[in-house]
Amino acid sequence: GNSVTQMEGPVTLSEEAFLTINCTYTATGYPSLFWYVQYPGEGLQLLLKATKADDKGSNKGFEATYRKETTSFHLEKGSVQVSDSAVYFCALIGSFGNEKLTFGTGTRLTIIP
Amino acid sequence: DSGVTQTPKHLITATGQRVTLRCSPRSGDLSVYWYQQSLDQGLQFLIQYYNGEERAKGNILERFSAQQFPDLHSELNLSSLELGDSALYFCASSPEVAVRGTEAFFGQGTRLTVV
Repeated sequence: GNSVTQMEGPVTLSEEAFLTINCTYTATGYPSLFWYVQYPGEGLQLLLKATKADDKGSNKGFEATYRKETTSFHLEKGSVQVSDSAVYFCALIGSFGNEKLTFGTGTRLTIIP
Repeated sequence: DSGVTQTPKHLITATGQRVTLRCSPRSGDLSVYWYQQSLDQGLQFLIQYYNGEERAKGNILERFSAQQFPDLHSELNLSSLELGDSALYFCASSPEVAVRGTEAFFGQGTRLTVV
């Protein structure tokens, strides 16, 4: 079945540091890939997505590129802010019908001023 | 606001009891997912419904059941509750089952505490 492997956390960075959260996946065909973010006390919300190989999803300064050759979808941001502190989830939905959204375990990110 | 409404927001109950969590999906969304989020096990997929029918099942215990009604709202029933069932339960909805790029929209969750 489909699976997502995500970088273990927690991750603590100083403000303005460069962020990378690794995500690799296992799926047949051509899944769609997502990053969701969960701010403290809230539900998950979509951060960005990519639906085919070499697509780059971007939002709020975050980027992730769909790399089929390495089955990866790493999340990056050039300069993090305190407000980026949250839990980040990598997810995929398969390319065939009757599929569920599969999540990684989540990475807790804390940004210190 | 994602448009997905979950009630109640908080629930405290005793072991052995039964509770019902309710989810109203976004207007027009046919697919509803239930997830359990606990500290030690991350986000676990429980079950998915599409237009009233069960579509996918994950790590859902036999003590748990769900359904989606004709008006598309969904309920998750948890019975014979144990301390380990304490968690945040999320509902999500999406327009379709698996159209390419379809994202899911999450509710704020129901925090269940079993004492």
